[in-house]
Parts: sequence; C-alpha cells; structure tokens
Amino acid sequence: AQRVTQPEKLLSVFKGAPVELKCNYSYSGSPELFWYVQYSRQRLQLLLRHISRESIKGFTADLNKGETSFHLKKPFAQEEDSAMYYCALSSRGGATNKLIFGTGTLLAVQP
Amino acid sequence: DAGVTQSPTHLIKTRGQHVTLRCSPISGHKSVSWYQQVLGQGPQFIFQYYEKEERGRGNFPDRFSARQFPNYSSELNVNALLLGDSALYLCASTLDLGVNTIYFGEGSWLTVV
Repeated sequence: AQRVTQPEKLLSVFKGAPVELKCNYSYSGSPELFWYVQYSRQRLQLLLRHISRESIKGFTADLNKGETSFHLKKPFAQEEDSAMYYCALSSRGGATNKLIFGTGTLLAVQP
Repeated sequence: DAGVTQSPTHLIKTRGQHVTLRCSPISGHKSVSWYQQVLGQGPQFIFQYYEKEERGRGNFPDRFSARQFPNYSSELNVNALLLGDSALYLCASTLDLGVNTIYFGEGSWLTVV
C-alpha cells in the first residue's frame, strides 16, 4: 500500500536549534517525494521536492531509499519557520497524478 | 497573477443537503484536482480532472461527484451530506497531467450540522 507516515504531530524547538521533521513512506516503484508547508492563515504551498535536490529557506531533504525516508532538516530554526509541514508522495497510476499526504507535523519555534 | 481560487470560503449545511464547491485553476492550467482535509489529517485525494474528463478518483462514495468545464474551472458536488463530510475542501491545479508541481487554493470550509 502507498502510504506516508509522519510520526510526530508536534515538534517544538528553540530558535537557533536544529530541526528534523521525519517522514517515512511506503511505495512500490520509484517515488517522487515532496514537502509542503502551510503557514498560519495561508494556503498549502510546495516547499521542496526530492528531484530538485535544492535548499529552500534553509531546508533540505534527502531521499533515502534504503530507509524509505525523506526527512526535512534545517540546521538553525527561525521563528518564521513555525508552520504545519506535510510530507507527500506523488502517485502516478495510468493518467492520474495525485499526492498522498502524511498527517502533518506542526513545527513550533520558540523565541 | 491569480492563483487557484475557490468559493465559497466558508459554508454551513444541514445533514442531508447537498453542496457545490467551485474552483478556478491558475490561468493556463488544464488539470484540476480536489482534496478533502479533515481536521488533524493530511489532505486526501478525491478527484482529478483533465480536459473535462475524470482521470482519477479516490476512495470516496458516489455521493461525491465533480466536473470540469471548457474554461478548466471545476465544481465539486456532495449529495446527502453527513456530519463526517465536515472538512476543508482543497482544489489544486497543475499545468498538465505529467507535471508534478501542484498548486493549491485556500480551500472551502464546509461544516455539516
């Protein structure tokens, strides 16, 4: 079964501390993975995708196929990083391109 | 440049009623998808439409239906509303079927009482 698991509902850290938001997936085939972020009162927006191998707002995520993980990391958290983070898997079946989301992790960065 | 727009933003319905939610994709985008997000959960895929045809359907009952119009806008219809249908309904658009960047609207909050 295709599934995305985010084990932490809430992650609270102090400003300047490192952050790691965990994401594990279950998928047969080559997965395409994403992190989406939702800031307070804003729409869900793409943060980064594994195929781009880019760093956005200081966040990076590496796909580890052996551990079936795609953890999101940032070395030094900022207060403005406080938001809801969703890990998502792109599932392509026939002509459909849909996202399978995890349940999300609320990141709270304390001053 | 307008993003994905949805209407209404909030609505309250009674059990047994039906509801229609509307979505306009980003200009030039041909594919629209609908997701349901129940409080405390991640979004769940309901439908994908491309060029006015249904291209995918999630695990939702037949009470849920949708369509896409020639201008690529879309409607989601839910009949015989249940309390459990209370959720945020998100519309998303993509340029094409093969494109992975999915852009979301702000959603329509549906409360069923």
